Amino acid sequence: GAVVSQHPSWVICKSGTSVKIECRSLDFQATTMFWYRQFPKQSLMLMATSNEGSKATYEQGVEKDKFLINHASLTLSTLTVTSAHPEDSSFYICSASVTGKETQYFGPGTRLLVL
Amino acid sequence: GNSVTQMEGPVTLSEEAFLTINCTYTATGYPSLFWYVQYPGEGLQLLLKATKADDKGSNKGFEATYRKETTSFHLEKGSVQVSDSAVYFCALSPYNNAGNMLTFGGGTRLMVKP
Repeated sequence: GAVVSQHPSWVICKSGTSVKIECRSLDFQATTMFWYRQFPKQSLMLMATSNEGSKATYEQGVEKDKFLINHASLTLSTLTVTSAHPEDSSFYICSASVTGKETQYFGPGTRLLVL
Repeated sequence: GNSVTQMEGPVTLSEEAFLTINCTYTATGYPSLFWYVQYPGEGLQLLLKATKADDKGSNKGFEATYRKETTSFHLEKGSVQVSDSAVYFCALSPYNNAGNMLTFGGGTRLMVKP
C-alpha cells in the first residue's frame, strides 16, 4: 500500500516551453502533497506544500508564478514548470501524506532536462 | 528552527562490513525521526522510523534508535550487501505538525564493494 506515482519519469523540452508533471496517490487519499526539487548529489529542497482544494504554500525563494501547483483531488497534484529554462533542469519529486499521519510517501521522481 | 545533520559521504565499505551513518538533529519538542533511502535514479523510500524517545526503528536489517539525550538517530546495519548501495537521508517531522513537514539531512552516499 501507500504507492505514489509520477508521470512522466523523464522529460526533455525546449527552453520557453511549459512542462506538466503529475503526482498520483494510487491506493490512498492524500490530503497533503509536497513537491521537492533535488540537484545532483544534493538533498531534497521543499518547493511547496499543497492541500486538496486550496492554494499551495510555497517555500521562500520559490517563484509561484513559475512553478504552478494544482491539487484538484485527493489523489492528484500537478506541478507545471512554466517557460522552462535550462536552470530549471532538475529532479522533481513529489510526496503524499494523510492528515494526522507524519509519514510521507514519495513518488519515483521526474527528471527534467531543458535544452 | 529544525535541522538535521548527517555525516558526509561517500561511505565506502566491503560487503558484510558493519555500517554506521551518523545523524543528529535540532528540534523543539519531540519530533518523529525517519531514515529514507534513495536508489540510483529513483525517488525516496521510507526505510524506518521512530516516533518517541528510545524507540528503535528497524527494517531490512537496518536499525536506528531515537536518542533524545544525544539528539541522535544513527543508522546501523550489521552486514551490508552490494544492493544496499544508495543514498540515505535522515529526516525529522516536528511533533504535532499538521502539515507533516519533513526536514532532511544532506544525505549520505553508501557504496558497497563486493
